[in-house]
Amino acid sequence: RKEVEQDPGPFNVPEGATVAFNCTYSNSASQSFFWYRQDCRKEPKLLMSVYSSGNEDGRFTAQLNRASQYISLLIRDSKLSDSATYLCVVTPIGGATNKLIFGTGTLLAVQP
Amino acid sequence: DTAVSQTPKYLVTQMGNDKSIKCEQNLGHDTMYWYKQDSKKFLKIMFSYNNKELIINETVPNRFSPKSPDKAHLNLHINSLELGDSAVYFCASSPLPGGRYNEQFFGPGTRLTVL
Repeated sequence: RKEVEQDPGPFNVPEGATVAFNCTYSNSASQSFFWYRQDCRKEPKLLMSVYSSGNEDGRFTAQLNRASQYISLLIRDSKLSDSATYLCVVTPIGGATNKLIFGTGTLLAVQP
Repeated sequence: DTAVSQTPKYLVTQMGNDKSIKCEQNLGHDTMYWYKQDSKKFLKIMFSYNNKELIINETVPNRFSPKSPDKAHLNLHINSLELGDSAVYFCASSPLPGGRYNEQFFGPGTRLTVL
């Protein structure tokens, strides 16, 4: 079983739609959670951290469910510029906590 | 004012050759990393250095040797290149080696093609 699993998509949605991505992780002791965004042929960039209480940044909302080992990302009012691969990222507890474990990513294509 | 830079951006070489990729960050960070992203887009950590000291060494063939001359630079040397080494290699840096909310900043990547 992969440490971080995501639906690879693609998710094809019209502009203005709301879309949600899910991610599950296998290590129940995982410590930190993030969503990174990667545009085609570019480097990954941090989109947002995911806090236990859930957090929102503009049109983006991230949720964490530790009991189910599940992270989600909700994008409201999708824009063409949101088209990218969204990477779910987890860090293990203890030891080298700077080690990021990436999911394979979910591809989002927002259509005009 | 590039934050994390890598050279070269593209590298095409023959099997069996030895090549190096260089990385520099001007963010003043203490920790640097090398990641490999394969053809299936899976991004996996290879190495991490904190202030020139190796702190993460994943299961990577010993043909890959990182070198950190100072905390702003982390180079990757690859000996005896194989077809399976073809991938995009990303360098990254972060302010701290640990911490709960520790953003990593990635370089633009080096696309290596082994023929």
